[in-house]
Amino acid sequence: AQTVTQSQPEMSVQEAETVTLSCTYDTSESDYYLFWYKQPPSRQMILVIRQEAYKQQNATENRFSVNFQKAAKSFSLKISDSQLGDAAMYFCAYRSQYNFNKFYFGSGTKLNVKP
Amino acid sequence: GAVVSQHPSWVICKSGTSVKIECRSLDFQATTMFWYRQFPKQSLMLMATSNEGSKATYEQGVEKDKFLINHASLTLSTLTVTSAHPEDSSFYICSAASEQGGSEAFFGQGTRLTVV
Repeated sequence: AQTVTQSQPEMSVQEAETVTLSCTYDTSESDYYLFWYKQPPSRQMILVIRQEAYKQQNATENRFSVNFQKAAKSFSLKISDSQLGDAAMYFCAYRSQYNFNKFYFGSGTKLNVKP
Repeated sequence: GAVVSQHPSWVICKSGTSVKIECRSLDFQATTMFWYRQFPKQSLMLMATSNEGSKATYEQGVEKDKFLINHASLTLSTLTVTSAHPEDSSFYICSAASEQGGSEAFFGQGTRLTVV
């Protein structure tokens, strides 16, 4: 079974600075998808960034980028120029490419942004 | 991104009654819908996955007879909590995915269920 682990329950960052959230996963599959989702206080889940395992290039979306290390099964999220609106719970997620029904989330990291 | 509408956003029911939660994909056909349960300050626990026209696949430890899932069309899935008890009180979230639309899933707003 696939498991997703986020070892940082809570992180804090100063506004305009950079923060990195960690995620590791365990799988025996070679092809899969990884995601970072954001859950603000409204509890609406929002996709931040997506990475296909077959792609070596790290995904980027404006201020958000990932460091995908397939061999190490690591998938960290870097937020640059942090903004107050970035404060939220961040969840790392795994989806199997062989069985689309398998879509699992990590335990989450609460990000605080200090003004 | 695509829109998923979940209804109701909150519901209070008496112990022993049943509650139905709807999840609709508004602008795409959802071949797969996921139902999650989220406890306060915790992660999303996958309860079951449903594919249109097929029986739902439940995760280990989730009672099939308690949490009835129906995916009757490509735009609608429902979760019915039968004979609800206070321990069923939680935040329930659905998400929908289309294989034609890519790998990501789109989430509903969630439903806060309180059983009194």
